[in-house]
Amino acid sequence: NAGVTQTPKFRVLKTGQSMTLLCAQDMNHEYMYWYRQDPGMGLRLIHYSVGEGTTAKGEVPDGYNVSRLKKQNFLLGLESAAPSQTSVYFCASSYEGVYWHSPLHFGNGTRLTVT
Amino acid sequence: QQQVKQSPQSLIVQKGGISIINCAYENTAFDYFPWYQQFPGKGPALLIAIRPDVSEKKEGRFTISFNKSAKQFSLHIMDSQPGDSATYFCAASLTNYNAGGTSYGKLTFGQGTILTVHP
Repeated sequence: NAGVTQTPKFRVLKTGQSMTLLCAQDMNHEYMYWYRQDPGMGLRLIHYSVGEGTTAKGEVPDGYNVSRLKKQNFLLGLESAAPSQTSVYFCASSYEGVYWHSPLHFGNGTRLTVT
Repeated sequence: QQQVKQSPQSLIVQKGGISIINCAYENTAFDYFPWYQQFPGKGPALLIAIRPDVSEKKEGRFTISFNKSAKQFSLHIMDSQPGDSATYFCAASLTNYNAGGTSYGKLTFGQGTILTVHP
């Protein structure tokens, strides 16, 4: 099993450009998440989804949009990139909400630089 | 109330030594406390977890100590090895039980600790 796969692995954008990050999971998980990781800030939740067709805001949603049209895919969009969005983005999934029987599984991240 | 504070930000330990990373939380309703380990270029992976009715959990060289009254928990790595060099995150979540059923929570992460184990 591939687990959680993120594409692309690296991307450089200019301020104002847009892009979409793709996350795919093959574990039939209901819940999917997008986190950003910044030095000294830990992992902060951007948006999440509790099932196909659903999305919800996390801790730092401003400047991002998401869609979950298919259960296995979760897309993160940046409509107008800003330097403050330079970060490493991680997608994760879980069977349901996080607990003993339902741990988070992470992808290997996308490193985004906005100049 | 949803914050989890982690310290230190970085830690250097000699091979064979004990690594200790501490976390403090505010929300007494948290009921699941996992630790994640992240190697460079990879995503975090679950290392070990504990629930608040247990004071200690050990898996191999890794031990979680939990102090409910102080709202603190810590990760101890015994006999630290260079292969343990990684970033470690503590986290917490809470479960909601209501008439509609059980709702499992989302994780709130600490700030992370970069551990370096020198040979």
